[in-house]
Amino acid sequence: AQRVTQPEKLLSVFKGAPVELKCNYSYSGSPELFWYVQYSRQRLQLLLRHISRESIKGFTADLNKGETSFHLKKPFAQEEDSAMYYCALSGGAGNMLTFGGGTRLMVKP
Amino acid sequence: NAGVTQTPKFQVLKTGQSMTLQCAQDMNHNSMYWYRQDPGMGLRLIYYSASEGTTDKGEVPNGYNVSRLNKREFSLRLESAAPSQTSVYFCASSDSWGGQVDSGANVLTFGAGSRLTVL
Repeated sequence: AQRVTQPEKLLSVFKGAPVELKCNYSYSGSPELFWYVQYSRQRLQLLLRHISRESIKGFTADLNKGETSFHLKKPFAQEEDSAMYYCALSGGAGNMLTFGGGTRLMVKP
Repeated sequence: NAGVTQTPKFQVLKTGQSMTLQCAQDMNHNSMYWYRQDPGMGLRLIYYSASEGTTDKGEVPNGYNVSRLNKREFSLRLESAAPSQTSVYFCASSDSWGGQVDSGANVLTFGAGSRLTVL
């Protein structure tokens, strides 16, 4: 079975501080990992996926298979980063997307 | 393009009442999904439809039924609502389902959500 754990329900930082949203997963094969984001009054949307290896809105995430983690990082948080963030995993062909419990990020001025 | 449209946005039901949540997508996607979002539990898959004409249970299907009416539309029905079904429901679609890594299979487009309260 595949499982995604986001240990922090709420993360509060000041503007300009570094941010790391933690995501740990459990899956025996080679997973595909995603971060989805939901800004206030907006729809849930894809932020980034590990396969793309790109930085979106200053966020990056590296898949660490040894630690089974896919933490989301940004060196300098902005107020507009305040949102609900969900880590998600797919085991590939024939597997559904499994979401973590979500972390609410609050960036204070 | 509207993307994924779901109705209604809000609904209050009494225990035992029935209702249907409607979802339509205009992106010619093959796969459609219904999730529920509860605090601290993330999004949990209720039912999905990998392609037109097929539906399958997800993680939490009890108390729900679905219909893939055509390629565009995927409805979720609560036959006898219970307070435990108070939640925010999201419909989503994707180009394909469970495909190979680096396909569009797991890139989901979500609707705006439907907040359901069962008293």
